[in-house]
Amino acid sequence: AQSVTQPDIHITVSEGASLELRCNYSYGATPYLFWYVQSPGQGLQLLLKYFSGDTLVQGIKGFEAEFKRSQSSFNLRKPSVHWSDAAEYFCAVVPRFGNEKLTFGTGTRLTIIP
Amino acid sequence: EPEVTQTPSHQVTQMGQEVILRCVPISNHLYFYWYRQILGQKVEFLVSFYNNEISEKSEIFDDQFSVERPDGSNFTLKIRSTKLEDSAMYFCASSEGGRQGGKNIQYFGAGTRLSVL
Repeated sequence: AQSVTQPDIHITVSEGASLELRCNYSYGATPYLFWYVQSPGQGLQLLLKYFSGDTLVQGIKGFEAEFKRSQSSFNLRKPSVHWSDAAEYFCAVVPRFGNEKLTFGTGTRLTIIP
Repeated sequence: EPEVTQTPSHQVTQMGQEVILRCVPISNHLYFYWYRQILGQKVEFLVSFYNNEISEKSEIFDDQFSVERPDGSNFTLKIRSTKLEDSAMYFCASSEGGRQGGKNIQYFGAGTRLSVL
């Protein structure tokens, strides 16, 4: 069955530390991949996307993500987190064929400690 | 920067009442969507809309739900007779094009929190 998995429900990191949020997908063909961020009380903001080409993609706010076909993963990274990065992060996919709806993972809540 | 606008930000209603959630998509976008997020759960697709008709809907989107693009700018979600379990954050999204054009990047509004009492 097609699915998107974010194995970490909650991650806590210190301000200035590096961050990696995991996302795995299970689809017949590699889907289009997205990361969205939801700050408290806010909507969903697109951080970055992968359609094809270079497997390391850059996004806004200093985030990047790496697509690894062999691992069916699209992990989000940031070298040094800021207190303002505290939020909920969602990995999402659109299949290459068929419907065009976004399917979201369950989200990872990021807490930043001073 | 263009954005998707949703009103109201919070709607409180009594069970059994009708509610209409409103959205103004980004002006040159052609594809429109509604998603919902029940508190503590993941974001779920409800419906997509293109060329003045529903292109896809989920099993959640039953006969109590309807969508409309009443004019050139608004996109609405109506719930005819609300239930307690309809309480959720409802997000509107729009995209410039479909997947074939590589333009199906969906941009979201800030959401409407619906509370059914």
